[in-house]
Amino acid sequence: RKEVEQDPGPFNVPEGATVAFNCTYSNSASQSFFWYRQDCRKEPKLLMSVYSSGNEDGRFTAQLNRASQYISLLIRDSKLSDSATYLCVVTGAFGNEKLTFGTGTRLTIIP
Amino acid sequence: GAGVSQSPSNKVTEKGKDVELRCDPISGHTALYWYRQSLGQGLEFLIYFQGNSAPDKSGLPSDRFSAERTGGSVSTLTIQRTQQEDSAVYLCASSFRQVNTGELFFGEGSRLTVL
Repeated sequence: RKEVEQDPGPFNVPEGATVAFNCTYSNSASQSFFWYRQDCRKEPKLLMSVYSSGNEDGRFTAQLNRASQYISLLIRDSKLSDSATYLCVVTGAFGNEKLTFGTGTRLTIIP
Repeated sequence: GAGVSQSPSNKVTEKGKDVELRCDPISGHTALYWYRQSLGQGLEFLIYFQGNSAPDKSGLPSDRFSAERTGGSVSTLTIQRTQQEDSAVYLCASSFRQVNTGELFFGEGSRLTVL
């Protein structure tokens, strides 16, 4: 089983729609969780951290379910500029600074 | 510039040659990571440094791969006797590790093509 698994997509979604991605991780001792965004042929950039209580940043909502070991990202009122690959990222157990990236979910927003 | 700098941006080499890839992290960042990304694939962890030491080098694919970091700053990833399967974009990232914010700042990568 991969350490971090994501549905690769592609997700083709009309502008203005709501879209959600899930990600599962295998290490129950993982401490921290993040979503990164990677545009085509560009380097990844941090989108948002994921907190146990769930967190929002504008149109983006991230949630963590430790019991089921999955993370979700919800994008509301999607924009053309949201088209990108979204990477789920998980750290190791406490003291392990390695960040493991999922293979990413490709999202295309259609006008 | 203020970002992570990598060189060369593109490298084409023949199978069997050695290559060196360089990463200059953001000044003051204590942690430095190397990943590689093959076409259409996710990021594969190679190694990370905290200062000059490498607590986790579990991702290095074989003993042909090595990396070092000097002065808590510049890092070099060396691939000896390159093979075609080594072709990928090699990404370096750094972070300021006082707090585990998870924010890695990536360079633009070094695209390696082994013929």
